[in-house]
Amino acid sequence: SQELEQSPQSLIVQEGKNLTINCTSSKTLYGLYWYKQKYGEGLIFLMMLQKGGEEKSHEKITAKLDEKKQQSSLHITASQPSHAGIYLCGSNFGNEKLTFGTGTRLTIIP
Amino acid sequence: NAGVTQTPKFRILKIGQSMTLQCTQDMNHNYMYWYRQDPGMGLKLIYYSVGAGITDKGEVPNGYNVSRSTTEDFPLRLELAAPSQTSVYFCASSYGTGSSYNSPLHFGNGTRLTVT
Repeated sequence: SQELEQSPQSLIVQEGKNLTINCTSSKTLYGLYWYKQKYGEGLIFLMMLQKGGEEKSHEKITAKLDEKKQQSSLHITASQPSHAGIYLCGSNFGNEKLTFGTGTRLTIIP
Repeated sequence: NAGVTQTPKFRILKIGQSMTLQCTQDMNHNYMYWYRQDPGMGLKLIYYSVGAGITDKGEVPNGYNVSRSTTEDFPLRLELAAPSQTSVYFCASSYGTGSSYNSPLHFGNGTRLTVT
């Protein structure tokens, strides 16, 4: 079974609209990472969250880790074509191995 | 700094052939990882290493081998290529992750492998 579940699997959003991607775990998340992957390219690090209740923002992207450290959300405000790609959450669950979710494919339409 | 460098970028193999995917990093990171990404899917961990001379299996190690003789290099070996190994392979490195210490992974640009 998948340790990290992302929802939705794919998302089509009109340019300028807001959107949220969720990452849910059945276990406590220690380091929670968000990455973005443009189609056919490598992964770009977006943010890392460690503390329950932590929230970080970069430009129009905000990520939160809930108090119980079992769910994280990524929110994009006023989406742009440059936001299109695959968003992946990952966590190490307190060990050396970093496990990733299944990814959310985001498409921005004009 | 070049970061994480993977070679080759593309490769086509025939069934049963062998090859080594090269990965090198110049950030003096102790931790290195190999992942594969199948179409439309997330990343699956193949092998990882927490330092030179130390390697361990991830989720999908069958059909692969690794070695870590130096801090900089972490090659991935496919001995008998099979169509199921058609995928995009990513190498990554970091200072380390654990229960109390986390640093982000830096990824290479990937190697796209097709086995026919």
